[in-house]
Amino acid sequence: EAQVTQNPRYLITVTGKKLTVTCSQNMNHEYMSWYRQDPGLGLRQIYYSMNVEVTDKGDVPEGYKVSRKEKRNFPLILESPSPNQTSLYFCASSFDRDSNYNEQFFGPGTRLTVL
Amino acid sequence: AQSVTQLGSHVSVSEGALVLLRCNYSSSVPPYLFWYVQYPNQGLQLLLKYTSAATLVKGINGFEAEFKKSETSFHLTKPSAHMSDAAEYFCAVSETGTASKLTFGTGTRLQVTL
Repeated sequence: EAQVTQNPRYLITVTGKKLTVTCSQNMNHEYMSWYRQDPGLGLRQIYYSMNVEVTDKGDVPEGYKVSRKEKRNFPLILESPSPNQTSLYFCASSFDRDSNYNEQFFGPGTRLTVL
Repeated sequence: AQSVTQLGSHVSVSEGALVLLRCNYSSSVPPYLFWYVQYPNQGLQLLLKYTSAATLVKGINGFEAEFKKSETSFHLTKPSAHMSDAAEYFCAVSETGTASKLTFGTGTRLQVTL
């Protein structure tokens, strides 16, 4: 089944304790992205990657890191989490080509609470 | 720069009534436009998309949207609401000609009442 998976789905942690949220897709997509969703703000892009070893900042990258060593994986790293990073996080992927059949596929989300 | 405005953070309709969710966009180039739906505790699912073909786009679950360049709008409609339509709906725009690099609106939560 074609899908984007994220782990963990729920995480409660404390300020300053490094964490990684994993994201994996099995559709051979070039493009992958991380978003955070906050009430009243919609989805805001954190980082994106156009292909292996190619990453770039989105609209709200502060406090986050990413890596793209393999095409299928795009982990999100919080080196020193703070309470303002409490949010619902989504990973998404798509082909990066001009096609009428193109769409972004989203993972199920990771709800992160930083105390 | 691209942006999306969704008018109304909450919309309530009766079951069987018309659903109208509004989306206006700003884009410096001909845009690709998308509507996504998010059911409770789930990720986002594509409802429909406009990619410069037909201006009236039909999607899943009976939804459709019309691209109006003169009004810079891409409103989502459904003739008859069902209880199962209760969800949050997001409009998104892409200027890249692909589905990547989406900019999302702030979302509209649809409530359907009996």
